[in-house]
Amino acid sequence: GNSVTQMEGPVTLSEEAFLTINCTYTATGYPSLFWYVQYPGEGLQLLLKATKADDKGSNKGFEATYRKETTSFHLEKGSVQVSDSAVYFCALSDQAAGNKLTFGGGTRVLVKP
Amino acid sequence: KAGVTQTPRYLIKTRGQQVTLSCSPISGHRSVSWYQQTPGQGLQFLFEYFSETQRNKGNFPGRFSGRQFSNSRSEMNVSTLELGDSALYLCASSKTGLNEKLFFGSGTQLSVL
Repeated sequence: GNSVTQMEGPVTLSEEAFLTINCTYTATGYPSLFWYVQYPGEGLQLLLKATKADDKGSNKGFEATYRKETTSFHLEKGSVQVSDSAVYFCALSDQAAGNKLTFGGGTRVLVKP
Repeated sequence: KAGVTQTPRYLIKTRGQQVTLSCSPISGHRSVSWYQQTPGQGLQFLFEYFSETQRNKGNFPGRFSGRQFSNSRSEMNVSTLELGDSALYLCASSKTGLNEKLFFGSGTQLSVL
């Protein structure tokens, strides 16, 4: 079946530091890949997505590239802010599995001023 | 444009009781999905409804059920509550549910005592 593995947190950074959150996946079909973010007390918000190999998703300074050869979709941001403190979820959607989202375990990121 | 609305925000129940959670999707969205979020299991897919029909179902016992109304509003019901059902239940909507961005509500926090 499908699965998503992402690095465990928490990840603690200083403001303006570089952020990387690793994400790898296993899928039976050709999935679309997503990063969602969850701020305290809120639901999930889509951060970015990529639908095919070598696609790069980007939003709010965050980027992730769909790497089919390494089955990865690592999230990066060059200079984090305190407001980026949240839980980040990597997820995949596979038509073969009915388009439901399969999530990774989430990575809590804490950015200190 | 109003977002996805989930009610109630918090619920406290005792073992053996049943509970109904409500989700109003974004206007024009016909697909509604439900997810359970717990610290131990993370985010797990419960089911998805489209045009009043259950289109996909996750690996949850039959105590978990749902339905969708003609106005796309959805409810999920959990009968014979167990302590392990304590979780944040998230609803998400999209236009078609097919490989597209999901819009999440803030969730209903259910505590089973």
